[in-house]
Amino acid sequence: NAGVTQTPKFQVLKTGQSMTLQCAQDMNHEYMSWYRQDPGMGLRLIHYSVGAGITDQGEVPNGYNVSRSTTEDFPLRLLSAAPSQTSVYFCASSYTTGGRTDTQYFGPGTRLTVL
Amino acid sequence: AQSVAQPEDQVNVAEGNPLTVKCTYSVSGNPYLFWYVQYPNRGLQFLLKYITGDNLVKGSYGFEAEFNKSQTSFHLKKPSALVSDSALYFCAVRDGGGSTLGRLYFGRGTQLTVWP
Repeated sequence: NAGVTQTPKFQVLKTGQSMTLQCAQDMNHEYMSWYRQDPGMGLRLIHYSVGAGITDQGEVPNGYNVSRSTTEDFPLRLLSAAPSQTSVYFCASSYTTGGRTDTQYFGPGTRLTVL
Repeated sequence: AQSVAQPEDQVNVAEGNPLTVKCTYSVSGNPYLFWYVQYPNRGLQFLLKYITGDNLVKGSYGFEAEFNKSQTSFHLKKPSALVSDSALYFCAVRDGGGSTLGRLYFGRGTQLTVWP
């Protein structure tokens, strides 16, 4: 049981480039989410999904896209990278009870630098 | 609006002394409260949670937290700190009411340093 995995661990992009951060979980969790962590800001929710085919925006969705074609995978796409997107990105998943989330389990993170 | 406050950016304690990391919250409905720990260059690890029941919740690595509804607080405690407890600690709240599937709201984090 690997839990939540993320690739890559590190990435450097140039402004305007696009890329996809990968996230996978093997716990059969319905709920998956993406956060970004910036110094002194805590974690801010980018996008989340409550199941395959269902996604919604979080607190800071601009510049990011997501899709959820399977229960296991929840990739995050940066459409045109900007220096403001330099951050550490965490994927998390959770089972749901009565349609509501419980404890979220986090991946190891992707450290992204945009030059 | 839901929010979490961790009033201290840093907490420093000597090994063997008790530690407290403070958290207050604002949420609609009954709160679900969580503590997570983050070691350098790692993801967040779940420590403990309060959903209902006993106000004193015990978690991993000897940590516990006390839920105080009147003070809207959920402070993390440990009777005897270890150097290995040094890490970044996050408090999070999930509202128990009717909002968006119980989204988690995080505090800004408290850096705990335990010196030998």
